[in-house]
Amino acid sequence: QVQLVQSGAEVKKPGSSVKVSCKASGGTFSTYPISWVRQAPGQGLEWMGRTIPILGLVNYAQKFQGRVTITADKSTSTAYMELSSLRSDDTAIYYCAMDTSITSWGQGTLVTVPS
Amino acid sequence: NFLLTQPHSVSESPGKTVTLSCTRTSGSIASSYVQWYQQRPGSAPTTVIYEDDQRPSGVPDRFSGSIDTSSNSASLTISGLKTEDEADYYCQSYENNFQVFGGGTKLTVL
Repeated sequence: QVQLVQSGAEVKKPGSSVKVSCKASGGTFSTYPISWVRQAPGQGLEWMGRTIPILGLVNYAQKFQGRVTITADKSTSTAYMELSSLRSDDTAIYYCAMDTSITSWGQGTLVTVPS
Repeated sequence: NFLLTQPHSVSESPGKTVTLSCTRTSGSIASSYVQWYQQRPGSAPTTVIYEDDQRPSGVPDRFSGSIDTSSNSASLTISGLKTEDEADYYCQSYENNFQVFGGGTKLTVL
């Protein structure tokens, strides 16, 4: 099964951007969809968007359209999620997830945006 | 887009069987696969059911999934409940390359 390792926790100022990475090992990186999902404190899972690297396909949830950019570097088997114009309500754990029929999850990256 | 509706919380005793529901508000539940994720406090989600009723290796056969087109819902059934099953459970499905998560059910085993 694929292992996904994400970058470390971040503290960002309101109005700035954050870029979270997700490195895959143990599988074929570019073939499968990679999604980004966030979870605000005490809340449920929220899908942000996904990419299929081999197709160059990217879809974003309407809520994040224009503020999120998902990319993938096939040479390093790493996916990225950049969120801009950060607000305090963007404080959350951000997960990457790869869907190879069975979804594998990264360990999560806490992004804190103090108010 | 559709929504997936889950009960907020469910409680059951150890050794019993519990069924968690996930109702699709529009479109057919059978039109896209349903996945179920378990999330224990402080941990990332893990997959317990994929493609409606398939169980990943390592997940106990006490966990089973199904869909019911008559109620347009999916179900996760956990038999022989253990205290370690206490967690949040999320259903998830797709439409046109977009993913939808249910709001999650907090399962308490006491």
